[in-house]
Amino acid sequence: AQKVTQAQTEISVVEKEDVTLDCVYETRDTTYYLFWYKQPPSGELVFLIRRNSFDEQNEISGRYSWNFQKSTSSFNFTITASQVVDSAVYFCALSEYGTSGSRLTFGEGTQLTVNP
Amino acid sequence: DAGVIQSPRHEVTEMGQEVTLRCKPISGHNSLFWYRQTMMRGLELLIYFNNNVPIDDSGMPEDRFSAKMPNASFSTLKIQPSEPRDSAVYFCASSPDPAVGYNEQFFGPGTRLTVL
Repeated sequence: AQKVTQAQTEISVVEKEDVTLDCVYETRDTTYYLFWYKQPPSGELVFLIRRNSFDEQNEISGRYSWNFQKSTSSFNFTITASQVVDSAVYFCALSEYGTSGSRLTFGEGTQLTVNP
Repeated sequence: DAGVIQSPRHEVTEMGQEVTLRCKPISGHNSLFWYRQTMMRGLELLIYFNNNVPIDDSGMPEDRFSAKMPNASFSTLKIQPSEPRDSAVYFCASSPDPAVGYNEQFFGPGTRLTVL
């Protein structure tokens, strides 16, 4: 069975600090996909990034970067120079590859608070 | 483009009443998902459909919950009779192609249900 663990329940930082959100996953599949979603205080879930299990290249998008390491089954998310608007709950999710569809298993989420 | 549309956005009802939540997926998307989010249990997948057919309803908590997708542009989640422990935010999500695992899911704004 798939499992996603986000061990950090809450993180609080001061604006402009860098912060890393951890995600560890378990799966028996060799082909799978990993996602990060953001849930701001307004409540909607916003897609941030997708990675497949064959692509371990790190990715950077502005102040956001992602570090995927299959050897440790981790897919960590770093926000550089955090801002108050980054305050949200962040979810890591895992999808199996298969004909049954893109079912996602979500982690418990990490509440990030960026203080001014 | 319109995103996933859910109605109502808020619902307050009394225990024992029937509740119907509605969802319109993004046009052209072939998979639809219903989630429930609570503080205690996080994000839980209740049921999902591929091409209007229910694929996995193992997350539906009990027989009081039922979901239908009569056509590609509409789905309902019904709770009858409702109980206070059903109070949660219910999200609907859609994704383009059920045959691949890399499709991100696009979430609606959610319905906040309160059962008194």
